[in-house]
Amino acid sequence: EIVMTQSPATLSVSPGERVTLSCRASQRVSTNLAWYQQRPGQAPWLLIYDASTRATGIPARFSGSGSGTEFTLTISSLQSEDFGIYYCQQYHNWPPMTFGQGTKVEI
Amino acid sequence: QVTLRESGPALVKPTQTLTLTCTLSGVSISTYGVCVSWIRQPPGGALEWLARIDWDGDKYYTTSLKNSLTISKDTSKNQVVLSMTNMDPVDTAAYYCVRHHGRSNYFGSWGQGTLVTVSS
Repeated sequence: EIVMTQSPATLSVSPGERVTLSCRASQRVSTNLAWYQQRPGQAPWLLIYDASTRATGIPARFSGSGSGTEFTLTISSLQSEDFGIYYCQQYHNWPPMTFGQGTKVEI
Repeated sequence: QVTLRESGPALVKPTQTLTLTCTLSGVSISTYGVCVSWIRQPPGGALEWLARIDWDGDKYYTTSLKNSLTISKDTSKNQVVLSMTNMDPVDTAAYYCVRHHGRSNYFGSWGQGTLVTVSS
């Protein structure tokens, strides 16, 4: 089973700042990686798939990069609605698909 | 618009079997390429993929719970059902029904989730 490790665990930022979240895989996953956002009390939703492709309706301030074992989610200019927990997920080796433990972004 | 709605008991006792139902709207579970999974999330915890069923009936399970999970579909009702035997308090979680993005293994549509508490 591939273990996904996210850092940092918590990030305190101000609106307008550039934010970088990291995700590391215990084995190479090519670009088979997705990112999700979750706000309190809500289900997660898909932001990025295939490491760098934005899902439908996701603003351009969100971008993903990386391949192999190291991945990054960048928010170019943080907006107030961007708070929440961000999860990465690999789908290269499955079952199971596995998620990271999440990075909490606090405004 | 595709929607998924989970239903099932909010409370189960230890050792009991949990049965959750996901009702799909806007897409048929029998349509080529439709894949549906269950994912759970303990309170304050991370996401854990549990099981997947495909339009053609193929099924996949997470290795750690393979012996206690059963996923099935009812085509006539357009539903996906997850059963989990021998429930334990550590299984307390929000359970989400999700539709895969095409036949890929990332998740484009999520239900609102249903919280299941395991307690005597």
